Amino acid sequence: DQQVKQNSPSLSVQEGRISILNCDYTNSMFDYFLWYKKYPAEGPTFLISISSIKDKNEDGRFTVFLNKSAKHLSLHIVPSQPGDSAVYFCAATGGTSYGKLTFGQGTILTVHP
Amino acid sequence: NAGVMQNPRHLVRRRGQEARLRCSPMKGHSHVYWYRQLPEEGLKFMVYLQKENIIDESGMPKERFSAEFPKEGPSILRIQQVVRGDSAAYFCASSPLGIAGLRVDEQFFGPGTRLTVL
Repeated sequence: DQQVKQNSPSLSVQEGRISILNCDYTNSMFDYFLWYKKYPAEGPTFLISISSIKDKNEDGRFTVFLNKSAKHLSLHIVPSQPGDSAVYFCAATGGTSYGKLTFGQGTILTVHP
Repeated sequence: NAGVMQNPRHLVRRRGQEARLRCSPMKGHSHVYWYRQLPEEGLKFMVYLQKENIIDESGMPKERFSAEFPKEGPSILRIQQVVRGDSAAYFCASSPLGIAGLRVDEQFFGPGTRLTVL
């Protein structure tokens, strides 16, 4: 069963505009959420995270929003840059899953110059 | 300040052979995790280890797969009698010990080992 879902396999955005990547989860025990960025032939790179006690966390151009009632989180990148083009994974952990990250399938972001 | 190191980066094995994948965590990190990424899929958790202990192996296949993180040296993921379905990218991640028992959830990933089984 897919406990973390990224329903958009790909997203295309113009440079300078906002990129919004979405993620849904089903396990109500998850209490910590992370976003990773991955380039081909490399390992995932940690971007930003959020605890379930917050609804927003911001770091430079990256902001993560958490809606616990809807079991939904999103990553906003503004302004988007061509170097942001990569695969973005959301991940979750918590409860009996402590120490274990459950990943979504990933969204391929392409930022056009 | 080296990151997580994995070797080899690429490994080719024939069906029935053994594959050994090595992971050296970041300096100061005492938790190691292994994940597998099959083609066109996300990363799937396999096992979580601390020095000399397996904490959670709920994602490990029941047969042929084993993992260890000895007191000295890297963590090893061992796959015996490989089959074509084992072809995947295997990623290792590490995290530090939390301060005062607090959880540390950010995991830092290595570049992965790409295993191809012929």
